[in-house]
Amino acid sequence: AQSVTQLGSHVSVSEGALVLLRCNYSSSVPPYLFWYVQYPNQGLQLLLKYTSAATLVKGINGFEAEFKKSETSFHLTKPSAHMSDAAEYFCAVSVRGGGNKLTFGTGTQLKVEL
Amino acid sequence: DTEVTQTPKHLVMGMTNKKSLKCEQHMGHRAMYWYKQKAKKPPELMFVYSYEKLSINESVPSRFSPECPNSSLLNLHLHALQPEDSALYLCASSQVAGAGNEQFFGPGTRLTVL
Repeated sequence: AQSVTQLGSHVSVSEGALVLLRCNYSSSVPPYLFWYVQYPNQGLQLLLKYTSAATLVKGINGFEAEFKKSETSFHLTKPSAHMSDAAEYFCAVSVRGGGNKLTFGTGTQLKVEL
Repeated sequence: DTEVTQTPKHLVMGMTNKKSLKCEQHMGHRAMYWYKQKAKKPPELMFVYSYEKLSINESVPSRFSPECPNSSLLNLHLHALQPEDSALYLCASSQVAGAGNEQFFGPGTRLTVL
């Protein structure tokens, strides 16, 4: 079975600083990987996804993530944090034959300080 | 229209009540999903419908009864719920139920069971 681990349930950065949210996956077959963002009392919005094309994936709002098979990682980065980036971020994985079931990590709450 | 709508936004019900949650999408998607999300936790998959047929039931108690009347509409019928069923219920849709397909999420229904 596949799984996702997000290191750091809370991350705090200063406005303008680099954002790095960590995600490691476990899967016996090639994974599809996703980053979603959730603002308070809202649904989830897709930031970006990896589907075995380019290993460096660019998403919305200036976010990007790099798929590293050797490290089983898919960390999310943004060069310069903005106050509006404060939210909960979820990494998720799905695999072929799983009916597009998403298995989510436990989430990382990003706080952006002035 | 790239939106998934859910009604109602909030629902309070007693343990003996019967209520329904509604989800609608007009993107022509043929897969629809119900997730349950407890506070400070990631979403957990409950059901997947593919081409209006139930394809995945994640061992959800029978007090939750899903229904997919047509390709645009997904309902979740609730009966004899327990207080621990209080959560945010999220609906999602994707083009098809194949791994790697982006899931579009609705804003959710906040359910409180008294």
